[in-house]
Amino acid sequence: LAKTTQPISMDSYEGQEVNITCSHNNIATNDYITWYQQFPSQGPRFIIQGYKTKVTNEVASLFIPADRKSSTLSLPRVSLSDTAVYYCLVGDEGNTPLVFGKGTRLSVIA
Amino acid sequence: DVKVTQSSRYLVKRTGEKVFLECVQDMDHENMFWYRQDPGLGLRLIYFSYDVKMKEKGDIPEGYSVSREKKERFSLILESASTNQTSMYLCASSATSAAGELFFGEGSRLTVL
Repeated sequence: LAKTTQPISMDSYEGQEVNITCSHNNIATNDYITWYQQFPSQGPRFIIQGYKTKVTNEVASLFIPADRKSSTLSLPRVSLSDTAVYYCLVGDEGNTPLVFGKGTRLSVIA
Repeated sequence: DVKVTQSSRYLVKRTGEKVFLECVQDMDHENMFWYRQDPGLGLRLIYFSYDVKMKEKGDIPEGYSVSREKKERFSLILESASTNQTSMYLCASSATSAAGELFFGEGSRLTVL
């Protein structure tokens, strides 16, 4: 059973900033929040991971409020190539595997 | 770069056949995983392994078994394939822990007739 809830799908125009929010009301103290991206006919790939506040890398930003019950993946100025499924996962550094939910299907329109 | 290689991108098998899906990773990762992905259901964990000769059931192990005789290789076995095992199978590995960054292969699309 997925520990996260995220929208099934989103649409955006090219050049816009896209924010995908994920709810994880039962996140544990030791849990990290991780986002993956999956293109058609490929395996998912890691985008970003965070524990609290804000994390930014060359691909995206991850915003985590103080209560950590939700997180927002922000993709700046999306292009058509950002069309993919985005998964939000929570888990700690132990040996319990991450659970993938159904993800959010982002469609970027020209 | 980490490379996770799955032996076959596409397979077509008949009901009742024994099927082997092979996965090899080249980064000395401790953990390896097998998922299946079906439309509308996301990725579901079949089996995972922390170390050589160790295996743990995931969420949907029924009808599958695994083998990890060497650290770099994790095989998924369908003892007697059935049509409801038609799916995309994804192998992944991670270095530090089961919840660490996962590196996925490109997937093996299995069709069981």
